[in-house]
Amino acid sequence: RKEVEQDPGPFNVPEGATVAFNCTYSNSASQSFFWYRQDCRKEPKLLMSVYSSGNEDGRFTAQLNRASQYISLLIRDSKLSDSATYLCVARDYGGSQGNLIFGKGTKLSVKP
Amino acid sequence: DAGVTQSPTHLIKTRGQQVTLRCSPKSGHDTVSWYQQALGQGPQFIFQYYEEEERQRGNFPDRFSGHQFPNYSSELNVNALLLGDSALYLCASSLERRSRQPSYEQYFGPGTRLTVT
Repeated sequence: RKEVEQDPGPFNVPEGATVAFNCTYSNSASQSFFWYRQDCRKEPKLLMSVYSSGNEDGRFTAQLNRASQYISLLIRDSKLSDSATYLCVARDYGGSQGNLIFGKGTKLSVKP
Repeated sequence: DAGVTQSPTHLIKTRGQQVTLRCSPKSGHDTVSWYQQALGQGPQFIFQYYEEEERQRGNFPDRFSGHQFPNYSSELNVNALLLGDSALYLCASSLERRSRQPSYEQYFGPGTRLTVT
Protein backbone atom coordinates (compact mmCIF):
# COMPACT_ATOMS: atom_id res chain seq x y z
CA ARG A 1 0.00 0.00 0.00
CA LYS A 2 1.24 3.47 -0.96
CA GLU A 3 1.99 5.73 1.98
CA VAL A 4 0.13 8.67 0.47
CA GLU A 5 -2.65 8.03 -2.02
CA GLN A 6 -4.51 10.56 -4.11
CA ASP A 7 -7.31 10.62 -6.64
CA PRO A 8 -5.58 9.81 -9.92
CA GLY A 9 -7.44 12.44 -11.94
CA PRO A 10 -7.19 14.20 -14.29
CA PHE A 11 -9.86 16.65 -13.27
CA ASN A 12 -11.20 18.79 -16.12
CA VAL A 13 -13.41 21.61 -14.86
CA PRO A 14 -14.80 24.90 -16.23
CA GLU A 15 -13.70 28.24 -14.85
CA GLY A 16 -15.58 29.14 -11.70
CA ALA A 17 -16.16 25.55 -10.66
CA THR A 18 -15.43 24.19 -7.21
CA VAL A 19 -13.09 21.22 -7.20
CA ALA A 20 -12.09 18.91 -4.36
CA PHE A 21 -9.02 16.73 -4.08
CA ASN A 22 -8.84 13.83 -1.64
CA CYS A 23 -5.86 12.13 -0.11
CA THR A 24 -5.24 9.37 2.43
CA TYR A 25 -2.07 8.55 4.33
CA SER A 26 -1.05 5.26 5.89
CA ASN A 27 1.40 6.31 8.60
CA SER A 28 -0.64 7.23 11.66
CA ALA A 29 2.49 8.80 13.17
CA SER A 30 2.58 11.49 10.48
CA GLN A 31 2.07 14.86 12.09
CA SER A 32 2.34 17.46 9.36
CA PHE A 33 0.66 17.65 6.01
CA PHE A 34 1.00 19.89 3.01
CA TRP A 35 -0.41 20.56 -0.40
CA TYR A 36 2.10 21.40 -3.10
CA ARG A 37 1.32 22.58 -6.58
CA GLN A 38 3.51 21.59 -9.53
CA ASP A 39 3.31 23.14 -12.97
CA CYS A 40 4.46 21.15 -15.99
CA ARG A 41 8.23 20.60 -15.92
CA LYS A 42 8.63 22.87 -12.90
CA GLU A 43 9.44 22.27 -9.26
CA PRO A 44 6.75 21.68 -6.62
CA LYS A 45 5.72 24.85 -4.83
CA LEU A 46 4.20 24.91 -1.37
CA LEU A 47 0.53 25.82 -1.61
CA MET A 48 -0.63 25.25 1.93
CA SER A 49 0.43 23.63 5.15
CA VAL A 50 -2.33 21.67 6.87
CA TYR A 51 -2.19 21.51 10.62
CA SER A 52 -4.61 20.23 13.25
CA SER A 53 -8.14 20.90 12.01
CA GLY A 54 -7.12 22.44 8.70
CA ASN A 55 -6.95 25.97 7.34
CA GLU A 56 -8.14 28.35 4.67
CA ASP A 57 -6.27 30.69 2.35
CA GLY A 58 -8.46 32.71 0.03
CA ARG A 59 -10.13 30.34 -2.43
CA PHE A 60 -8.29 27.35 -1.01
CA THR A 61 -9.38 25.29 2.00
CA ALA A 62 -7.51 22.31 3.37
CA GLN A 63 -9.03 19.86 5.85
CA LEU A 64 -7.47 17.14 7.94
CA ASN A 65 -9.26 14.20 9.54
CA ARG A 66 -6.77 12.34 11.72
CA ALA A 67 -9.21 9.59 12.69
CA SER A 68 -9.72 8.68 9.04
CA GLN A 69 -6.16 9.65 8.01
CA TYR A 70 -7.68 11.77 5.31
CA ILE A 71 -6.73 15.16 3.86
CA SER A 72 -8.64 17.26 1.39
CA LEU A 73 -8.11 20.40 -0.66
CA LEU A 74 -11.02 22.48 -1.91
CA ILE A 75 -10.58 25.11 -4.59
CA ARG A 76 -13.47 27.50 -5.04
CA ASP A 77 -14.11 29.71 -8.08
CA SER A 78 -11.34 27.98 -10.03
CA LYS A 79 -9.22 30.06 -12.40
CA LEU A 80 -7.36 29.09 -15.55
CA SER A 81 -4.15 29.70 -13.61
CA ASP A 82 -5.10 26.94 -11.14
CA SER A 83 -4.31 24.36 -13.84
CA ALA A 84 -1.46 22.27 -12.43
CA THR A 85 -0.75 19.01 -10.64
CA TYR A 86 -1.61 19.04 -6.94
CA LEU A 87 0.57 16.92 -4.67
CA CYS A 88 -0.57 15.72 -1.28
CA VAL A 89 2.31 15.39 1.17
CA ALA A 90 2.77 13.89 4.63
CA ARG A 91 5.81 14.53 6.75
CA ASP A 92 7.29 11.29 7.96
CA TYR A 93 8.66 11.20 11.49
CA GLY A 94 11.59 8.91 10.67
CA GLY A 95 14.05 11.42 12.08
CA SER A 96 14.16 14.55 14.16
CA GLN A 97 12.78 16.57 11.30
CA GLY A 98 11.25 13.99 9.03
CA ASN A 99 11.16 13.80 5.28
CA LEU A 100 8.27 14.45 2.93
CA ILE A 101 6.22 11.59 1.51
CA PHE A 102 4.49 12.62 -1.69
CA GLY A 103 1.44 11.24 -3.40
CA LYS A 104 1.55 10.78 -7.17
CA GLY A 105 -0.39 13.99 -7.69
CA THR A 106 -3.71 14.87 -9.26
CA LYS A 107 -3.73 16.86 -12.46
CA LEU A 108 -6.23 19.71 -12.70
CA SER A 109 -7.15 21.36 -15.95
CA VAL A 110 -9.39 24.43 -15.77
CA LYS A 111 -11.04 25.28 -19.08
CA PRO A 112 -12.54 28.61 -20.23
CA ASP B 1 15.71 36.78 -0.75
CA ALA B 2 17.53 34.16 -2.80
CA GLY B 3 15.58 30.98 -3.36
CA VAL B 4 16.90 27.46 -3.79
CA THR B 5 19.22 27.15 -6.78
CA GLN B 6 20.41 24.02 -8.53
CA SER B 7 22.93 23.29 -11.23
CA PRO B 8 23.07 22.18 -13.91
CA THR B 9 19.51 22.48 -15.23
CA HIS B 10 19.90 19.62 -17.70
CA LEU B 11 22.39 16.81 -18.03
CA ILE B 12 22.84 13.90 -20.41
CA LYS B 13 25.02 10.97 -19.35
CA THR B 14 25.60 7.43 -20.53
CA ARG B 15 25.15 4.25 -18.54
CA GLY B 16 27.98 3.55 -16.12
CA GLN B 17 29.05 7.16 -15.81
CA GLN B 18 29.03 9.23 -12.65
CA VAL B 19 27.23 12.53 -12.07
CA THR B 20 27.37 15.33 -9.50
CA LEU B 21 24.44 17.68 -8.96
CA ARG B 22 24.64 20.83 -6.89
CA CYS B 23 22.25 22.76 -4.69
CA SER B 24 22.35 26.04 -2.79
CA PRO B 25 19.64 26.36 -0.15
CA LYS B 26 17.31 29.30 0.31
CA SER B 27 18.97 32.13 2.16
CA GLY B 28 18.91 31.43 5.90
CA HIS B 29 18.10 27.72 5.55
CA ASP B 30 20.37 25.06 7.01
CA THR B 31 18.88 21.72 5.95
CA VAL B 32 18.93 20.22 2.49
CA SER B 33 16.89 17.28 1.23
CA TRP B 34 17.18 15.57 -2.14
CA TYR B 35 14.35 13.97 -4.07
CA GLN B 36 14.04 12.02 -7.31
CA GLN B 37 10.96 12.53 -9.45
CA ALA B 38 10.33 10.12 -12.28
CA LEU B 39 7.87 11.05 -15.01
CA GLY B 40 4.27 10.86 -13.81
CA GLN B 41 5.26 10.20 -10.21
CA GLY B 42 5.55 12.27 -7.07
CA PRO B 43 9.02 13.11 -5.74
CA GLN B 44 10.72 10.33 -3.76
CA PHE B 45 12.99 11.12 -0.84
CA ILE B 46 16.66 10.24 -1.34
CA PHE B 47 18.37 11.70 1.74
CA GLN B 48 18.63 14.72 3.96
CA TYR B 49 21.67 16.65 5.16
CA TYR B 50 21.94 18.68 8.31
CA GLU B 51 25.11 19.96 9.96
CA GLU B 52 27.15 18.43 7.15
CA GLU B 53 25.93 14.91 7.92
CA GLU B 54 23.43 12.60 6.28
CA ARG B 55 20.64 12.48 8.81
CA GLN B 56 18.02 10.41 7.01
CA ARG B 57 17.97 8.23 3.97
CA GLY B 58 15.22 6.89 1.76
CA ASN B 59 15.14 3.61 -0.10
CA PHE B 60 17.98 4.34 -2.53
CA PRO B 61 21.13 2.27 -3.14
CA ASP B 62 24.61 3.25 -2.05
CA ARG B 63 25.29 4.48 -5.58
CA PHE B 64 23.56 7.62 -4.38
CA SER B 65 25.70 9.66 -2.04
CA GLY B 66 25.89 13.24 -0.98
CA HIS B 67 27.65 15.93 0.90
CA GLN B 68 26.82 19.15 2.67
CA PHE B 69 29.34 21.97 2.97
CA PRO B 70 29.84 24.45 5.82
CA ASN B 71 27.89 27.07 3.85
CA TYR B 72 24.92 24.62 3.80
CA SER B 73 25.14 23.97 0.06
CA SER B 74 24.97 20.35 -0.98
CA GLU B 75 25.94 17.90 -3.69
CA LEU B 76 24.28 14.71 -4.85
CA ASN B 77 26.51 12.11 -6.48
CA VAL B 78 25.27 9.12 -8.44
CA ASN B 79 27.72 6.43 -9.52
CA ALA B 80 27.37 3.70 -12.15
CA LEU B 81 24.36 5.37 -13.74
CA LEU B 82 21.49 3.20 -14.91
CA LEU B 83 18.81 4.03 -17.46
CA GLY B 84 16.31 4.06 -14.58
CA ASP B 85 18.16 6.94 -12.95
CA SER B 86 16.73 9.26 -15.60
CA ALA B 87 14.55 11.69 -13.67
CA LEU B 88 14.17 15.20 -12.31
CA TYR B 89 16.36 15.61 -9.25
CA LEU B 90 15.00 18.13 -6.80
CA CYS B 91 16.72 19.79 -3.90
CA ALA B 92 14.64 21.24 -1.08
CA SER B 93 15.79 23.41 1.78
CA SER B 94 14.31 24.11 5.19
CA LEU B 95 15.24 25.80 8.42
CA GLU B 96 15.68 23.84 11.59
CA ARG B 97 18.21 25.15 13.95
CA ARG B 98 19.15 28.69 13.25
CA SER B 99 15.98 30.13 14.64
CA ARG B 100 13.82 29.92 17.71
CA GLN B 101 10.98 29.10 15.35
CA PRO B 102 12.28 26.52 12.94
CA SER B 103 10.26 26.07 9.82
CA TYR B 104 9.90 22.52 8.60
CA GLU B 105 8.33 23.66 5.38
CA GLN B 106 10.53 22.63 2.51
CA TYR B 107 11.10 24.85 -0.50
CA PHE B 108 12.22 23.31 -3.75
CA GLY B 109 14.73 24.38 -6.34
CA PRO B 110 14.00 24.19 -10.09
CA GLY B 111 15.60 20.75 -10.33
CA THR B 112 18.16 19.09 -12.56
CA ARG B 113 16.77 16.97 -15.35
CA LEU B 114 19.07 13.97 -15.80
CA THR B 115 18.84 11.78 -18.88
CA VAL B 116 20.82 8.55 -18.96
CA THR B 117 21.27 6.97 -22.39
